[in-house]
Amino acid sequence: SQTIHQWPATLVQPVGSPLSLECTVEGTSNPNLYWYRQAAGRGLQLLFYSVGIGQISSEVPQNLSASRPQDRQFILSSKKLLLSDSGFYLCAWSGGGAFAGRDTQYFGPGTRLTVL
Amino acid sequence: AQSVAQPEDQVNVAEGNPLTVKCTYSVSGNPYLFWYVQYPNRGLQFLLKYITGDNLVKGSYGFEAEFNKSQTSFHLKKPSALVSDSALYFCAVRDTSGTYKYIFGTGTRLKVLA
Repeated sequence: SQTIHQWPATLVQPVGSPLSLECTVEGTSNPNLYWYRQAAGRGLQLLFYSVGIGQISSEVPQNLSASRPQDRQFILSSKKLLLSDSGFYLCAWSGGGAFAGRDTQYFGPGTRLTVL
Repeated sequence: AQSVAQPEDQVNVAEGNPLTVKCTYSVSGNPYLFWYVQYPNRGLQFLLKYITGDNLVKGSYGFEAEFNKSQTSFHLKKPSALVSDSALYFCAVRDTSGTYKYIFGTGTRLKVLA
């Protein structure tokens, strides 16, 4: 069966510090991968998605970036965090290739980021 | 533009009563529709989906949803609510414009009162 991991679970960082959040998926190949941010326990904001290694689509450029160095690894980064970057970050995957467009999206456990 | 609307920020229901969480959508072409539930400080959990076929879809934990094409709705229902159903519920639709994105509603907080 497929499993999605995110780490760390919680993170407290000072303003201006760098960020690296990691997401990995097991049990599938060539997944579509997604990064979302959720503020105040409400709506989801799509940040980035990827349909393959090195292929990143940005929805909200801001001061965040994403990379996909391996098929099942998706990394969210920032060089300098802002207060407004605080939130709950969720990674998700869905079937790629022949399953793209019909498959369910599955979410990781999330990372709670607090920028002070 | 493609969109999903959840018109209620919060729904309160007494334990044992039926519950409905509303969702309407706007997409071109055939919609692929999903419901998720989120508990505090957790990721979203998939409940059910409609891709094609029977308009009544059954999912996890006794939830079901009815797809209504004429009303462009996909309301989530459960015949008898439990206190443990209290959570944040999201409706989503797969974008049909050629991207691989999913469009989410703003979420509805369900409170089941004992």
